[in-house]
Amino acid sequence: KQEVTQIPAALSVPEGENLVLNCSFTDSAIYNLQWFRQDPGKGLTSLLLIQSSQREQTSGRLNASLDKSSGRSTLYIAASQPGDSATYLCAVNTGTASKLTFGTGTRLQVTL
Amino acid sequence: SAVISQKPSRDICQRGTSLTIQCQVDSQVTMMFWYRQQPGQSLTLIATANQGSEATYESGFVIDKFPISRPNLTFSTLTVSNMSPEDSSIYLCSVSGTSGRSTDTQYFGPGTRLTVL
Repeated sequence: KQEVTQIPAALSVPEGENLVLNCSFTDSAIYNLQWFRQDPGKGLTSLLLIQSSQREQTSGRLNASLDKSSGRSTLYIAASQPGDSATYLCAVNTGTASKLTFGTGTRLQVTL
Repeated sequence: SAVISQKPSRDICQRGTSLTIQCQVDSQVTMMFWYRQQPGQSLTLIATANQGSEATYESGFVIDKFPISRPNLTFSTLTVSNMSPEDSSIYLCSVSGTSGRSTDTQYFGPGTRLTVL
């Protein structure tokens, strides 16, 4: 059974700092991995999708990497802003009818 | 991308009643899913909504408690039946990309926040 863990559970950084969020999964047989953002009481916004054949994906200040063999992914946020404050979730798709297994989330707070 | 709407956005219900949540997508999609997010928890898949046939439920979820309909490729409903306070959660609808491939990005609706008294 796939298990997904995110470290740290919570993180507080001052504005402008670069930061890294970690995601690990137990079964490396994945189709892809997706990073989401969730604001309090809201739905999920897709940030980046990395296919199993890819090593990284970039969108603006965000960069996600994938090391499938070691079961790890990182989300790098450059020059953090208060608007980046949210919970970040990673989810792996093992290809079984496209079902996602979600991590536990990292709650990020960027302070002024 | 796909734009997903859910109704209602939130509701407060009495124990023992039922609530039906609607999910509408702006384009035809192959895969639709229903997730639950209990307070302070991550997301758990309830079921895959299959067009024209019975939904596929995950372990721990049953049709009598969470009946699902999917009459076409853009619409689905989830009913939470005979509710108890333990059903208080955010319920989210999600869809795969329009190509329906397992490698597609998944998109989520805004969620329905349910409180059961």
